[in-house]
Amino acid sequence: KQEVTQIPAALSVPEGENLVLNCSFTDSAIYNLQWFRQDPGKGLTSLLLIQSSQREQTSGRLNASLDKSSGRSTLYIAASQPGDSATYLCAVHGGNNRKLIWGLGTSLAVNP
Amino acid sequence: KAGVTQTPRYLIKTRGQQVTLSCSPISGHRSVSWYQQTPGQGLQFLFEYFSETQRNKGNFPGRFSGRQFSNSRSEMNVSTLELGDSALYLCASSFDELEQYFGPGTRLTVT
Repeated sequence: KQEVTQIPAALSVPEGENLVLNCSFTDSAIYNLQWFRQDPGKGLTSLLLIQSSQREQTSGRLNASLDKSSGRSTLYIAASQPGDSATYLCAVHGGNNRKLIWGLGTSLAVNP
Repeated sequence: KAGVTQTPRYLIKTRGQQVTLSCSPISGHRSVSWYQQTPGQGLQFLFEYFSETQRNKGNFPGRFSGRQFSNSRSEMNVSTLELGDSALYLCASSFDELEQYFGPGTRLTVT
């Protein structure tokens, strides 16, 4: 049974810092992995999707990597800004069952 | 292109009542998935519909049901509401079964 864990659960950093959010999963047979952002009381915004055959994806100040063999993904945020404050969620797509398995998220606060 | 829309955005119901939530996917998307989000459990998969057929179902009791119409719009219904059903219900649509696009959610409060 696939399980997704995100560490740390919460993070508070000063503006301008580079930071790494971690996501680990127990079953390496994944179809893809997605990183999402959720603002308080709001829905989810997809940030990056990494296919199982890919090693990383980049969008602006965000870079996500995937290491299937070790069951890990990291989301790197460069030069963090207060507007980056949100909860970041990692979700693994198992393929055949067509459903996402979610971590509980990392709550990020970037302080001015 | 308009995004995924969900109605209503907020809902307050009492125990024992039933509720119907609606989701309109992005135009051209035929897959619609529903998720429940609670502080303790995080996001949990409810079910997925594709071309009016339920393709996959999560581990929720039979009080939770759904359907999809020919225009891909989907509804989910919860009967005999319990306090523990209070949650944010999120709908996501997908075109290619790869990337899911989420709506803003319906916040359900059961009192």
